[in-house]
Amino acid sequence: EAAVTQSPRSKVAVTGGKVTLSCHQTNNHDYMYWYRQDTGHGLRLIHYSYVADSTEKGDIPDGYKASRPSQENFSLILELASLSQTAVYFCASSDDWGSSQNTLYFGAGTRLSVL
Amino acid sequence: QQKVQQSPESLIVPEGAMTSLNCTFSDSASQYFAWYRQHSGKAPKALMSIFSNGEKEEGRFTIHLNKASLHFSLHIRDSQPSDSALYLCAVNTGGLSGKLTFGEGTQVTVIS
Repeated sequence: EAAVTQSPRSKVAVTGGKVTLSCHQTNNHDYMYWYRQDTGHGLRLIHYSYVADSTEKGDIPDGYKASRPSQENFSLILELASLSQTAVYFCASSDDWGSSQNTLYFGAGTRLSVL
Repeated sequence: QQKVQQSPESLIVPEGAMTSLNCTFSDSASQYFAWYRQHSGKAPKALMSIFSNGEKEEGRFTIHLNKASLHFSLHIRDSQPSDSALYLCAVNTGGLSGKLTFGEGTQVTVIS
């Protein structure tokens, strides 16, 4: 099965500090995604990427930056963490959207608490 | 911006009954429609997807898509306690775009 690894698994950050969440996939997938999930709610798309060295804005990009230095790695950066960014963050990957295999494979998630 | 809405917000069903979940979307150019399931404290996992109008069945799960009405649904036959989870629908934006938007989810509880 497809493998997506996120680190760290949990993080406590201070307001105004910088936070970097990392994601690594071994699926050889083109697409990678960052979603956030607030307790009991759905997933909201922050940033995504379909090729190395390029990222696209999702539905809620404000306050977040993304970096895709290689096909395998995708990072989410919070330059100035705020209380409202406390959430669980999921990374996912998927194959080329021109094919019929468009399933997203998710990592285990990173629980971020900003205090 | 693509809007994806799910109903109901939560559902309690007896074991063995049918569970029916709904999802509406706003972008008529969308081509990928999927359901994901998320057990408590776990990552979402794909259940099934559909590309063209009609129905698709996989085991106890059936997905219906009606693009004209911007609606698709998931039906779970013979619901089991292990089906208790948050169900998320997902729709892509614009043709074969990889931008995937999820709904807020339906919390399903199956009671025995």
